[in-house]
Amino acid sequence: GAVVSQHPSWVICKSGTSVKIECRSLDFQATTMFWYRQFPKQSLMLMATSNEGSKATYEQGVEKDKFLINHASLTLSTLTVTSAHPEDSSFYICSAGRPSGGSYNEQFFGPGTRLTVL
Amino acid sequence: AQSVTQPDIHITVSEGASLELRCNYSYGATPYLFWYVQSPGQGLQLLLKYFSGDTLVQGIKGFEAEFKRSQSSFNLRKPSVHWSDAAEYFCAVGANTNAGKSTFGDGTTLTVKP
Repeated sequence: GAVVSQHPSWVICKSGTSVKIECRSLDFQATTMFWYRQFPKQSLMLMATSNEGSKATYEQGVEKDKFLINHASLTLSTLTVTSAHPEDSSFYICSAGRPSGGSYNEQFFGPGTRLTVL
Repeated sequence: AQSVTQPDIHITVSEGASLELRCNYSYGATPYLFWYVQSPGQGLQLLLKYFSGDTLVQGIKGFEAEFKRSQSSFNLRKPSVHWSDAAEYFCAVGANTNAGKSTFGDGTTLTVKP
């Protein structure tokens, strides 16, 4: 159990267009999901915390108007990169939280989405 | 705030040799600790985790890690490395607050020599 999927697995788009990435928890419900960004040969940097039914919480320095997050159901969160530019090219990874061992929400990670903006 | 330090950016070992990857964390309470492996262009795979109990944790692929509270460390070990173990390794700490969001170290790249 605890499988998280992402779609698409890779996407190439033109500069100025918007791209939507989906993150789904397939066999559990997740009130909280997280979106991470990873540049080549670097670590995962948390972008935002996605809360079901409420606004996302963005980390410092992340433009909320550029990276739109919607968590409309307990199994789906979406990240939309608006007006994408080449510097937005990156590997985007989501995770979904599931209670594990008391009050702790263990994170289960999706396989990632490779975004390339031309 | 929680933080993770992986002191070694790159480690090279010979196939069959033993391996130890270092991880130090900073967190005010009992941490939840994880090791992940990532192959190029792939997502994260959980190797093992520590929540509580026995401080020596066994994981997949023959890996183990030991939680040492006094040293704030959670080092990953493997007695005999295989060429397929070459990858990027991330240590992470999760908090019991903030819905459990994880903080990652910068990663250690493992190269395996034949």
